[in-house]
Amino acid sequence: AQTVTQSQPEMSVQEAETVTLSCTYDTSESNYYLFWYKQPPSRQMILVIRQEAYKQQNATENRFSVNFQKAAKSFSLKISDSQLGDTAMYFCAFMKRPGAQKLVFGQGTRLTINP
Amino acid sequence: EPEVTQTPSHQVTQMGQEVILRCVPISNHLYFYWYRQILGQKVEFLVSFYNNEISEKSEIFDDQFSVERPDGSNFTLKIRSTKLEDSAMYFCASADPDGAYEQYFGPGTRLTVT
Repeated sequence: AQTVTQSQPEMSVQEAETVTLSCTYDTSESNYYLFWYKQPPSRQMILVIRQEAYKQQNATENRFSVNFQKAAKSFSLKISDSQLGDTAMYFCAFMKRPGAQKLVFGQGTRLTINP
Repeated sequence: EPEVTQTPSHQVTQMGQEVILRCVPISNHLYFYWYRQILGQKVEFLVSFYNNEISEKSEIFDDQFSVERPDGSNFTLKIRSTKLEDSAMYFCASADPDGAYEQYFGPGTRLTVT
């Protein structure tokens, strides 16, 4: 079974700073996807970024980028130029491939961006 | 942009009552899921559904739970006899093979069992 661990329950930074959220996972699979989801106070789950395990290049989406270290089973999220709207819970998630599989979530990191 | 919708947004029920949570997935998606999140905890998988049958279910998804796609657009989760510990946020998600099975979540239904 796969497990996902987020070791930082809470983080807080000032607006415009860069912040990195950590995630490690455990799996014996070689083919999988990793995701970061954002959950603002409205509790809607919003996909932030996706990484395919077979791709060596780290995914980026505007201010969001990941550092994917496959051998270390590490998948961190970097938010650059943080904004007040980035305040949310962030969940790391694992999905094995192929096909449509369930998401396995970490415990989440509560990120607060201060003005 | 297409989105997953869920109704109701909040449901309050008494212990032992049956509840049905409704979801309308994105129209061309073929894979459907239910997850739940007890307040302050992580999101947990309940069940996945494809081609009118359950693909996978978790230990949480016992005989009190059932899912159905009654009319080709709705996707429902029924809890037959609710318990206090069923109080949680329930999320529906759908995915499309052409979209690399990326799951799109609905806004959730908050279920409160009293």
